[in-house]
Amino acid sequence: EAQVTQNPRYLITVTGKKLTVTCSQNMNHEYMSWYRQDPGLGLRQIYYSMNVEATDKGDVPEGYKVSRKEKRNFPLILESPSPNQTSLYFCASSSGASGHYGYTFGSGTRLTVV
Amino acid sequence: QKEVEQDPGPLSVPEGAIVSLNCTYSNSAFQYFMWYRQYSRKGPELLMYTYSSGNKEDGRFTAQVDKSSKYISLFIRDSQPSDSATYLCAMMRAAGNKLTFGGGTRVLVKP
Repeated sequence: EAQVTQNPRYLITVTGKKLTVTCSQNMNHEYMSWYRQDPGLGLRQIYYSMNVEATDKGDVPEGYKVSRKEKRNFPLILESPSPNQTSLYFCASSSGASGHYGYTFGSGTRLTVV
Repeated sequence: QKEVEQDPGPLSVPEGAIVSLNCTYSNSAFQYFMWYRQYSRKGPELLMYTYSSGNKEDGRFTAQVDKSSKYISLFIRDSQPSDSATYLCAMMRAAGNKLTFGGGTRVLVKP
């Protein structure tokens, strides 16, 4: 089944403790992206990747890092999480960045930073 | 001011009614217009995609884009309880690399 898999689904952590949220897709997609979803603010892009070793900032990149060493994986790293990073996170992938392609989203990771 | 505005709802309708959803936007550079459906505890899934202005129909769903008014709509005919979800509009520029989303409208279809 074609899908984007995120882990973990739920995570509660403490301020300052480094964490990684994994994202993997099995569709051989070149484009991958991370979004966060907050009430009243909708989905906002954090980082995106056009291909392996090609990443760039989205609208809200502060406090996050990403890497794209393999085509299928695009982990999101929070080096020193803070409470304002409490949110619902989604990874998405697509054949390309253009609007001609539909984005496939993962099921989400609900992160709480206390 | 947000680039894409969407009424948060909730919009409650009886089963079988037409659901009418819309978004307004301010950036005239948007060329691709999409509607996503999001069920609780799930990721968004693509429902409809339209390039530039015009209408598109797919089963019970019709998407309309009016670029002159910067206004897009989604109509759901013969609504079912399974259509109860949050509907997100999303847009992208021609040479863009991200989707810009509206805040989503929560829809409740009552049996």
